[in-house]
Amino acid sequence: GEDVEQSLFLSVREGDSSVINCTYTDSSSTYLYWYKQEPGAGLQLLTYIFSNMDMKQDQRLTVLLNKKDKHLSLRIADTQTGDSAIYFCAPAGNMLTFGGGTRLMVKP
Amino acid sequence: KAGVTQTPRYLIKTRGQQVTLSCSPISGHRSVSWYQQTPGQGLQFLFEYFSETQRNKGNFPGRFSGRQFSNSRSEMNVSTLELGDSALYLCASSLTGGGRGTEAFFGQGTRLTVV
Repeated sequence: GEDVEQSLFLSVREGDSSVINCTYTDSSSTYLYWYKQEPGAGLQLLTYIFSNMDMKQDQRLTVLLNKKDKHLSLRIADTQTGDSAIYFCAPAGNMLTFGGGTRLMVKP
Repeated sequence: KAGVTQTPRYLIKTRGQQVTLSCSPISGHRSVSWYQQTPGQGLQFLFEYFSETQRNKGNFPGRFSGRQFSNSRSEMNVSTLELGDSALYLCASSLTGGGRGTEAFFGQGTRLTVV
């Protein structure tokens, strides 16, 4: 099955950029998603990238995909305290497979 | 448009008991997937139902089962509960299945505590 790895924790200062990284094993993943989970809530889709793209930008979010290295990253520009949450990457073939999540803490 | 509704939100059960969780997907969505979220194991896929048929299954014991009704509502059942089943159970609905380029919408989850 698919293995998805993420670092557990990231701490940044408000206004800085955050970069959350993800590595995966299944090269057949067609879509690669980023989800956000706030305390006590379900998961919210942030953005996704199709496997034939290298980069996708959506307002403050930039997704980079290195398909050769099976590496996906999410960059959040001008990080705000409201961005504090757990971020999950989820490569998808027939179904979504989630990484363990990266807890982002934004300090004022 | 109503979101994904999971009931109950919180549940406390005793070891050995069984439990049924419910998920009502967004109207028109035919795919319902279930996930178990624990601090140690992260989010793990349980199963996916599409048009009343189980389409994918994760690596969980047979104590975990599910079904989907003709109105796309889904139930998940866990029999002979163990302490390790304590988790947040999340349900996701989508038009065709979350891995096929259509967005999967998640409910707020059911927090199950087994004592």
